[in-house]
Formats: sequence, C-alpha cells, structure tokens
Amino acid sequence: DTAVSQTPKYLVTQMGNDKSIKCEQNLGHDTMYWYKQDSKKFLKIMFSYNNKELIINETVPNRFSPKSPDKAHLNLHINSLELGDSAVYFCASSPEPQGNNEQFFGPGTRLTVL
Amino acid sequence: DQQVKQNSPSLSVQEGRISILNCDYTNSMFDYFLWYKKYPAEGPTFLISISSIKDKNEDGRFTVFLNKSAKHLSLHIVPSQPGDSAVYFCAARIQGAQKLVFGQGTRLTINP
Repeated sequence: DTAVSQTPKYLVTQMGNDKSIKCEQNLGHDTMYWYKQDSKKFLKIMFSYNNKELIINETVPNRFSPKSPDKAHLNLHINSLELGDSAVYFCASSPEPQGNNEQFFGPGTRLTVL
Repeated sequence: DQQVKQNSPSLSVQEGRISILNCDYTNSMFDYFLWYKKYPAEGPTFLISISSIKDKNEDGRFTVFLNKSAKHLSLHIVPSQPGDSAVYFCAARIQGAQKLVFGQGTRLTINP
C-alpha cells in the first residue's frame, strides 16, 4: 500500500511526442506537487495543487500541463517533448500547502527523450 | 541562482563514526529547514527539520544544527550505520511561501 505512487517508473520517448505521468496519493493529503530533478541533481518544484486548485506554477514551459481530477491525483502531461526534458520527475504530497509540513514523495519517473 | 547549496557531492565515513553533512543558503528569508534522505530508485523521505528560531534539533541519532549568522546548517549522524548510506537533501522554506527549495544532495557512504 504505497503512499505516493507514480506511473510509469521509466519512460523513453522520441522528441516531439506527447506523454503523461500519473501520480496518486492515498494519504488523504490536500496538497500535491511535481518536482523535476535535473542533470545537476537539484530538485526543483514545478507545480503545486491544493484541493485541486493550482497554487504554485514556477517558470515552466507551457508544454507542461498538470491536471488534478481529484485531491488524490495530480497528473503531468508534457507536449512536444524536447531533449532538455530528460530528467527524473517526482510527485509529492503534504497535508497542507505550508512548507513546514513534511512532503511525501513518490519513487520518481525517469524520462528520457531521444 | 541556487539558494540552497550542498557543496560536497559525496562523503565517506567509517561505520560507528560521526557523519556531518553540510548545507549553505543565501536567502535570509528562509525560516524553516528540512533534511530528506533518498535511497536509489526511491523518492526522498523526510528525516528531520528545524525552525529558524532554534539552533539545534535532535531526533535519536540525528541532530540538525543551524547557524543563522553563517547561513549554514549541518546534519550530524552518530553513530553512523550502513543503512545510513543514501543521498541526503537539504531543503528550505521561504517565510510565507508555500514551497521548498532543495539543494543538490550529498551522497553518504558508510563503510563497514
């Protein structure tokens, strides 16, 4: 009974394709996040949703579109994939949006764009 | 500009000794700091945190120290155990904001 799950774990695709990564949490949390871990290993926040509403949208190309059908799910859709999108993407959740609540992370999705 | 930096990409420590992981930050508006631990093929898991109004927080073998004047925090693990081998991320929250800023991680290896 994984707390935060992501699918797929690995994704290899060609430039220009459109792909989605799914995230689900069964912790009953109100807030969910998407992070990108780049080649320099920094974990950078991309988006945050609280109760299905977008509350954080960092400087992310609009090719990335998050979608939260309900509180337990936050999916990430990426259009027209580029080489620079290759990274590990982590989903996370927390009880509330305030940063002092610990965030629970999924196992990550390693995206490789060829 | 990276506001949270972990300048040591890796650290190797003998089992039973103390491990000290360091983190520097630049933004004086950070008011809460956290350490996360990450095993391969898993997501980071929360380890310990500290508010900016404190200078030390202890939880079992783990202690976090905060030096606000130096904008520096450190995580001490004593005694170090083989299961502590992982990547450790430092993170910080900007006062009033709703996001965390992470460092790039330090890979800790505990040698038997």
